[in-house]
Amino acid sequence: KAGVTQTPRYLIKTRGQQVTLSCSPISGHRSVSWYQQTPGQGLQFLFEYFSETQRNKGNFPGRFSGRQFSNSRSEMNVSTLELGDSALYLCASSLSGLAGLLSTDTQYFGPGTRLTVL
Amino acid sequence: AQSVTQPDIHITVSEGASLELRCNYSYGATPYLFWYVQSPGQGLQLLLKYFSGDTLVQGIKGFEAEFKRSQSSFNLRKPSVHWSDAAEYFCAVGGTGTASKLTFGTGTRLQVTL
Repeated sequence: KAGVTQTPRYLIKTRGQQVTLSCSPISGHRSVSWYQQTPGQGLQFLFEYFSETQRNKGNFPGRFSGRQFSNSRSEMNVSTLELGDSALYLCASSLSGLAGLLSTDTQYFGPGTRLTVL
Repeated sequence: AQSVTQPDIHITVSEGASLELRCNYSYGATPYLFWYVQSPGQGLQLLLKYFSGDTLVQGIKGFEAEFKRSQSSFNLRKPSVHWSDAAEYFCAVGGTGTASKLTFGTGTRLQVTL
């Protein structure tokens, strides 16, 4: 079974631009979560989608948005990029979206997209 | 609010030596705890998780962790480290409600010397 895939793996943008990152979950997984990883802030939860609906959101500005399609693939969009948005963006998928609550579910992470904002 | 503290930013051990990575959590109820490993350029891989029951949890790659409620700790251990274990290790606590939010610690980078 293929793992979580993220595209592109690397991205360079300039301030003010916008960017879209893509995540394909493991087949059969309906939940997709996004995390931002930076050296200073560590891993921070962005949001989670389940069956095309955003169920939970972290403390990020509205410039960060996402969506999920009927095939469970998810995209994350960042508008008006700032230097501080440079980070590794990780996507994780799970069956039910309850990997933090149910021992029978597990959150699997993709390799991430490395975004550099110049 | 739940939180996780990993007091050691960087640890160096010799190959073959034992390893213990510390993790302390703050959580109101019984926590759901996880250890993940991240190799350079890779995503996170789940090593083990604790939900309830036996406080000593066995994971992949020869790792284990012990949940100690009295100390609010969930330390990761391995009896004999291999050079391939060099990576960054993250402790995390599960979320509440219906969402699958994990709160991560800041990570411990493990260096293995030969």
